[in-house]
Amino acid sequence: EADIYQTPRYLVIGTGKKITLECSQTMGHDKMYWYQQDPGMELHLIHYSYGVNSTEKGDLSSESTVSRIRTEHFPLTLESARPSHTSQYLCASREGFWTEAFFGQGTRLTVV
Amino acid sequence: GQNIDQPTEMTATEGAIVQINCTYQTSGFNGLFWYQQHAGEAPTFLSYNVLDGLEEKGRFSSFLSRSKGYSYLLLKELQMKDSASYLCAVRATLFNAGNNRKLIWGLGTSLAVNP
Repeated sequence: EADIYQTPRYLVIGTGKKITLECSQTMGHDKMYWYQQDPGMELHLIHYSYGVNSTEKGDLSSESTVSRIRTEHFPLTLESARPSHTSQYLCASREGFWTEAFFGQGTRLTVV
Repeated sequence: GQNIDQPTEMTATEGAIVQINCTYQTSGFNGLFWYQQHAGEAPTFLSYNVLDGLEEKGRFSSFLSRSKGYSYLLLKELQMKDSASYLCAVRATLFNAGNNRKLIWGLGTSLAVNP
């Protein structure tokens, strides 16, 4: 069973607020990812990390930032939320490039 | 460029067999994944193919032909709970800095299983 957790599961906030989406995994995986997915659309990679103090931007330009201070924790921060940030955010981790990715339950963000 | 093609929607009947195709054009190839995603939920892993041929796992099988850039997911004895989106993802080898072996995702095939 996958041990990767995201909080909150659902979030409705006002424009201009700063938010942090939490993602934690207890599998000791070095590789962690953040994806953005709109309903009925494909997964878009927005950030990834291959280990502590390593973070990179993904394919889809995002105004969010990430940090990786500990192996198990990969939070995503939006400094000033806007309605265009409304989406589902999925966190994933995997042991190696040849192994399956485990996904968290996702955070469904609505910015009003 | 990188491209993954899957049918957008498919419909099948409970108890039947359905095949979901995936074709890809990527800069290199290092494996193909199939994931199942129910509406509003996270994707869950179904299968991984890196060599040509058929991999069977219970009611689900996945086939790969690297020379044709083609894979399919075969679902047998369909159940109502199999109604979901099925995502094909290819691990490409892109040697520009920071992008090695990234996963390229298809849009997914929405499968509706009817009684």
